[in-house]
Amino acid sequence: QITLKESGPTLLKPTQTLTLTCTLSGFSFSTSGVGVGWVRQAPGNALEWLAIIYWDDDVRTRPSLGSRLTVTKDMSKNQVVLTLTSMDPSDTGTYFCAHRGTELGGFDSWGQGILVTVSS
Amino acid sequence: SYVLTQPPSVSVAPGETAQITCGGHNIGGVSVHWYQQKSGQAPLLVMGYDADRPSGIPERFSGSNSGSTATLTISRVEVGDEADYYCQVYHSDGDHVVFGRGTKLTVL
Repeated sequence: QITLKESGPTLLKPTQTLTLTCTLSGFSFSTSGVGVGWVRQAPGNALEWLAIIYWDDDVRTRPSLGSRLTVTKDMSKNQVVLTLTSMDPSDTGTYFCAHRGTELGGFDSWGQGILVTVSS
Repeated sequence: SYVLTQPPSVSVAPGETAQITCGGHNIGGVSVHWYQQKSGQAPLLVMGYDADRPSGIPERFSGSNSGSTATLTISRVEVGDEADYYCQVYHSDGDHVVFGRGTKLTVL
């Protein structure tokens, strides 16, 4: 059974840096085609893709976030880490990590999400 | 960047068929994935690779994709199907992963 769980701060002040950890279990990140993505959702809004890191360390990030966003993986800890700098109230939302498998091609398992609020 | 267009809302009565569309330039040339998101929950993949149904998803859910429109069809709609539905594709340029804006399915 594939499980993912997000952890990190739930309240940040503007300009601070967000670091979220996605702890993985139940799958091998060395399998070709597998990836872990990050998706956020502002309150009442649609899903917004942020980034994905693949089994081969290929990382794709949302171009509009530029150098603010980085994603890394630490397989010794079975974790994927998202870092988003210069947080703004517009970054408030629920952040999900999700497993991208190859059988179905989409994000077939999701974490429960973590609500991050940016406020002074 | 690639844009996926979904109707904001679809309403059907229980037992009827709901069709949720996802429009995009030549979308028939790429695979489309569909997610169901109920209030307060994480999204759930209900259709992969246009028409592959994950285990545990009822056969009432089906998908198609051709030309400029992909469609998620829910037959014999139940009250429990009420949710937001999102389509998603992978794209080579710009945003690598693209979600539609979502369609709210209301079961009257």
